[in-house]
Amino acid sequence: AQTVTQSQPEMSVQEAETVTLSCTYDTSESDYYLFWYKQPPSRQMILVIRQEAYKQQNATENRFSVNFQKAAKSFSLKISDSQLGDAAMYFCAYRSANYGQNFVFGPGTRLSVLP
Amino acid sequence: ETGVTQSPTHLIKTRGQQVTLRCSSQSGHNTVSWYQQALGQGPQFIFQYYREEENGRGNFPPRFSGLQFPNYSSELNVNALELDDSALYLCASSHRGTPNEQYFGPGTRLTVT
Repeated sequence: AQTVTQSQPEMSVQEAETVTLSCTYDTSESDYYLFWYKQPPSRQMILVIRQEAYKQQNATENRFSVNFQKAAKSFSLKISDSQLGDAAMYFCAYRSANYGQNFVFGPGTRLSVLP
Repeated sequence: ETGVTQSPTHLIKTRGQQVTLRCSSQSGHNTVSWYQQALGQGPQFIFQYYREEENGRGNFPPRFSGLQFPNYSSELNVNALELDDSALYLCASSHRGTPNEQYFGPGTRLTVT
């Protein structure tokens, strides 16, 4: 079974600074997808960024980018120019490319943004 | 906004009771997944429904059951509630052909006393 680990229960960053959230995962599969989801106090999970394992190029979405190291099974999220609205729980998630598989989530990292 | 709604927002039940939680998916989304998120943890997959049939289940006992309706709504039913069932329950809808495009609802917070 796949597992997802986030070793940082809490992180903080100054507004306008850069922060990196860590994620590692364990799988024996070669084809899969990785995600970062944001869960603000409103509780609604919002997709931040997605990475296909077969792509070597790291995904980027505006201020959000990932560092995907497939051999190391590492998938970190970098948030640049942090904004107060970035404060939330961040979950790393894995989904097998096999048909019918659902998401496996990590335990989350609570990010605080300091003004 | 994801277009996925859940009701009720909060619910308090007593141990041993039964509860029904509801989810309304995005129009055209024929797949719905349910997740349990205990306090301070990540969501755990309960089961998935596709075209009104269960299409995959996580490590949850049979007292967790569901229904999916043709109008893109669905239910999660939990019988014989236990204290450990206290959690946020999330539903996520998607189209069968795009399983990576899952849209989450805001969740129902269930407290079992």
